[in-house]
Amino acid sequence: GIQVEQSPPDLILQEGANSTLRCNFSDSVNNLQWFHQNPWGQLINLFYIPSGTKQNGRLSATTVATERYSLLYISSSQTTDSGVYFCAVELEVAGNQFYFGTGTSLTVIP
Amino acid sequence: DTGVSQDPRHKITKRGQNVTFRCDPISEHNRLYWYRQTLGQGPEFLTYFQNEAQLEKSRLLSDRFSAERPKGSFSTLEIQRTEQGDSAMYLCASSQGQGIRSSYEQYFGPGTRLTVT
Repeated sequence: GIQVEQSPPDLILQEGANSTLRCNFSDSVNNLQWFHQNPWGQLINLFYIPSGTKQNGRLSATTVATERYSLLYISSSQTTDSGVYFCAVELEVAGNQFYFGTGTSLTVIP
Repeated sequence: DTGVSQDPRHKITKRGQNVTFRCDPISEHNRLYWYRQTLGQGPEFLTYFQNEAQLEKSRLLSDRFSAERPKGSFSTLEIQRTEQGDSAMYLCASSQGQGIRSSYEQYFGPGTRLTVT
């Protein structure tokens, strides 16, 4: 079946530390996005990245579609980075349905 | 553009009652999606529209759930005879789509949190 797995499930960082979040998916991808869900439940777009590498400030992401994974890098973490990070994939085998991973819960402590 | 909006933001209802939620997408987006999210889980796809046509429905969408997008703009999601298991956050997203292939970037609304007592 279709699988979207994220690791680690939980992460606690000291402010200023760097981290890497991973998303593995089971089939070829049409579309991949990374989101940050804030404490109020709002999903905030971070990257639209079906392939390649993108950077936005302290965040960057890389998707290696041929190897079926994506990475989200957070550098110099801040307390405001806390929350849950999701990847969502639109897989070729699944029409236009998007599948979300189970998320990585990040806590940045001062 | 004000982004994707949802109404109401919170809804408390008694088991057995019907509820209806509304989603207004970003105006130029032709695709609209509904998701459900329960505590500790990622959002789960329910259904999506391209313009006014409902193109896919998840097996999660039981007969008690119905969604419409009558003029290809806003959408409504109705749950009939609510059950306690329907308690969740209901999220709406919109994007621009191209043909039957992939979509462009999705943008999410703030969600409607449903509590069934």
